[in-house]
Amino acid sequence: TQLLEQSPQFLSIQEGENLTVYCNSSSVFSSLQWYRQEPGEGPVLLVTVVTGGEVKKLKRLTFQFGDARKDSSLHITAAQPGDTGLYLCAGARYNNNDMRFGAGTRLTVKP
Amino acid sequence: GAVVSQHPSRVICKSGTSVKIECRSLDFQATTMFWYRQFPKQSLMLMATSNEGSKATYEQGVEKDKFLINHASLTLSTLTVTSAHPEDSSFYICSAVAGGNTYEQYFGPGTRLTVT
Repeated sequence: TQLLEQSPQFLSIQEGENLTVYCNSSSVFSSLQWYRQEPGEGPVLLVTVVTGGEVKKLKRLTFQFGDARKDSSLHITAAQPGDTGLYLCAGARYNNNDMRFGAGTRLTVKP
Repeated sequence: GAVVSQHPSRVICKSGTSVKIECRSLDFQATTMFWYRQFPKQSLMLMATSNEGSKATYEQGVEKDKFLINHASLTLSTLTVTSAHPEDSSFYICSAVAGGNTYEQYFGPGTRLTVT
């Protein structure tokens, strides 16, 4: 059983559509991070959220940390083919040495 | 931003041989580095946590005698896969925590190991 449940696992959409990826857990996290990984490369950090209810925006990406710090979401507006990749959420319960990754959401944006 | 390198990026070895993978933090000191493996189309699985100057902490199910980790300096950690077998073939990724920041890990580009 994954500590962090990501949904959906796979998502294929057309360019210009909006989408939301969810990361849920029954555990409370001191911090949560979102990464994007392309094939054959290491994950690239997109954002870190640490405060319950926090919302961060990165261009067309909006990240939200749940009030109880148990869940998070990533919303992409007007998706582009360049957004294609594996999106991973990762949470640290006690400190950074305790970070665990979700199974990932594989996003494909078709032109 | 923080940069982490891995070497080699790809390696093919014969069954029974050992392979060493290096992970370097290029522009910061990393007191803690992590080693992950990733199977095709799956997420990252933490193998071990490596702290400079001390023994690595291995996750349950990871053989410490098979996956030797040495964190000899604040900028270098190595993972040696000993007596490699085809089932060890995988994508190995390291990450490092930048000094002073307790939350963010920066990942290397990964090493593709193929054991024939």
